[in-house]
Amino acid sequence: GAVVSQHPSRVICKSGTSVKIECRSLDFQATTMFWYRQFPKKSLMLMATSNEGSKATYEQGVEKDKFLINHASLTLSTLTVTSAHPEDSSFYICSARDIRLAISHNEQFFGPGTRLTVL
Amino acid sequence: AQSVTQLGSHVSVSEGALVLLRCNYSSSVPPYLFWYVQYPNQGLQLLLKYTSAATLVKGINGFEAEFKKSETSFHLTKPSAHMSDAAEYFCAVSDEGTALIFGKGTTLSVSS
Repeated sequence: GAVVSQHPSRVICKSGTSVKIECRSLDFQATTMFWYRQFPKKSLMLMATSNEGSKATYEQGVEKDKFLINHASLTLSTLTVTSAHPEDSSFYICSARDIRLAISHNEQFFGPGTRLTVL
Repeated sequence: AQSVTQLGSHVSVSEGALVLLRCNYSSSVPPYLFWYVQYPNQGLQLLLKYTSAATLVKGINGFEAEFKKSETSFHLTKPSAHMSDAAEYFCAVSDEGTALIFGKGTTLSVSS
């Protein structure tokens, strides 16, 4: 149980195009999902917290208009990188928290990540 | 705000040797604490988590960690390293209902 999928796993795009990454909780409901960015040899940086049915909360320094987050259902959140540039190339990882917080002890379940390369 | 410090960005051990990866957190209230492992180009896998039920937490693959409130530490150990343990390890902390905050990670190398 507690599986999170991400699609696509790898994407290469041209500079200036937009890329959408999907994060799905497959066997549980998640009112909250998180988006992280990881640079090579670096830790995970929290980008934003996505709440179902409301606007995402972005961390300081993360451009809201560049990284559009939508959490349309209890099992799906999407991250759209708009007008992507080479500096947006990174490993993007999502995580989801089970709606039953008490059971999951605040644990987040992570997706396998999406490798974005912008040419 | 919560923060976590992992001492040592790179730890090297011989196969069969003790593995010790250090993690210290900053919090006046015992938080939730986690250790994750990441293999190259993969997502994160939970090794173990502390949720106040017991101070010594046993995880997968023979790893365990001990919560020490007096030292604000949650160090990860394994009695005998395997080659397959070579990976990146992250300590993470969170409060109830908040996002996980990760340490900078420790690369574990295992030599034969």
